[in-house]
Amino acid sequence: KAGVTQTPRYLIKTRGQQVTLSCSPISGHRSVSWYQQTPGQGLQFLFEYFSETQRNKGNFPGRFSGRQFSNSRSEMNVSTLELGDSALYLCASSLGTGNNEKLFFGSGTQLSVL
Amino acid sequence: GESVGLHLPTLSVQEGDNSIINCAYSNSASDYFIWYKQESGKGPQFIIDIRSNMDKRQGQRVTVLLNKTVKHLSLQIAATQPGDSAVYFCAEFVSGGYNKLIFGAGTRLAVHP
Repeated sequence: KAGVTQTPRYLIKTRGQQVTLSCSPISGHRSVSWYQQTPGQGLQFLFEYFSETQRNKGNFPGRFSGRQFSNSRSEMNVSTLELGDSALYLCASSLGTGNNEKLFFGSGTQLSVL
Repeated sequence: GESVGLHLPTLSVQEGDNSIINCAYSNSASDYFIWYKQESGKGPQFIIDIRSNMDKRQGQRVTVLLNKTVKHLSLQIAATQPGDSAVYFCAEFVSGGYNKLIFGAGTRLAVHP
């Protein structure tokens, strides 16, 4: 069974640009969550999607957005990039059938903002 | 506020020794906890979980202990191997928060031959 797949693996952007990251969950998983990992702030929750609906949201500005498609694949978008957005963006999937499920993570997209 | 922290940022052990990684959590409403291992260049890998109605759970070479009275978690790794070298995170779910995990800062485990 394939794991969580994130593309691209690396991205380099400049300030002011926007970026879209993609995540394909484990087959059969309907919940996709996104996390930002930085050396200074650690792992922080961005948002979670289930059945194409955002169920939960972390404390990030509106520049960070996401969506989920009918096949459970998800994308997140960051607009008007800032230097501080440089981070590893991780996607996690789970069955989504209830609260408190095991989350399985992808290898992440390393975003560098210059 | 919500927070999950770790007592030791770096832990060095000899191969074959047992390792203990500690974690304090602050939200008494948390009812599910997970330990993750993250190797360089990879995403967090699930190790073991425990629910708040349990005090102890064992896996292969790993044991998680939960002390709800003092809001403390620990991960014990038996017979530590070089392949165990990684950063370990504890994470908590807050009840009703769907799949929102709150992660601790992480502890780096270095295993020396």
